[in-house]
Amino acid sequence: KNEVEQSPQNLTAQEGEFITINCSYSVGISALHWLQQHPGGGIVSLFMLSSGKKKHGRLIATINIQEKHSSLHITASHPRDSAVYICAVKGGGSNYKLTFGKGTLLTVNP
Amino acid sequence: NAGVMQNPRHLVRRRGQEARLRCSPMKGHSHVYWYRQLPEEGLKFMVYLQKENIIDESGMPKERFSAEFPKEGPSILRIQQVVRGDSAAYFCASSPDQLDEQFFGPGTRLTVL
Repeated sequence: KNEVEQSPQNLTAQEGEFITINCSYSVGISALHWLQQHPGGGIVSLFMLSSGKKKHGRLIATINIQEKHSSLHITASHPRDSAVYICAVKGGGSNYKLTFGKGTLLTVNP
Repeated sequence: NAGVMQNPRHLVRRRGQEARLRCSPMKGHSHVYWYRQLPEEGLKFMVYLQKENIIDESGMPKERFSAEFPKEGPSILRIQQVVRGDSAAYFCASSPDQLDEQFFGPGTRLTVL
C-alpha cells in the first residue's frame, strides 16, 4: 500500500465546474505539498501546508491532520487548469524527503 | 530571482554512455534534492545534498549513480554506463533550509537508446 493515495486518478470536468482532488496519507507528517505538472512539463509548487487552509486565486488547499487527509479545490475551472496534480508529504521520520502520490490527471473541457 | 535551473532539458544517450545532469538552485538556496520520475510512475526521492555534502542518498541506486554539489557551481547527477531503464525525467528541487518549501526545476528528460 502506498503511503500517499490520491483520488480520483483521472478527472474530467466542464469549464466552470468546481473540482476536488483528495489525498490520504498513512504516516505522521510535518508538511504536505500540492504540485502541478503539465504533460511533458516541469513541476510547479502550488501549496505547502501543515494545518488548516490556504487559498491562492482559484485554488484552495485544506488539510486535516487528525484524519490524515488533504483536499485541493479549484473553483471556476478553466481548460488551462488541465494538468496532473500531485500530492506529496514530508514526514515518516524525515524533515526533507518528499513521498509522492501517483497524481490526478485533470482534464477541463471548454 | 531566477528559479531552479536544470540543463540540459533533454538528453539522449546510447547504452553504455555517461549522462551528466546539472542543477543550479535558486539564489540563496543551499539544499538540493534530486527526484526521478519513471514513465507511468510517480516521483521518487533519490538524493539530498547540502553544499559539498551528501546528506541522504538512500534513494539512489548503489551502482552507476553519483551526485555532487560542489562549493562553486551546480549540483551534478552523474549516471555511468546508462541502460534503457534509466530513461526517465530527473527533477531537481532546492530550498533555503531543510524544513522550507522545495522549489522544482523544469527537469531533464533522459532517453537511452
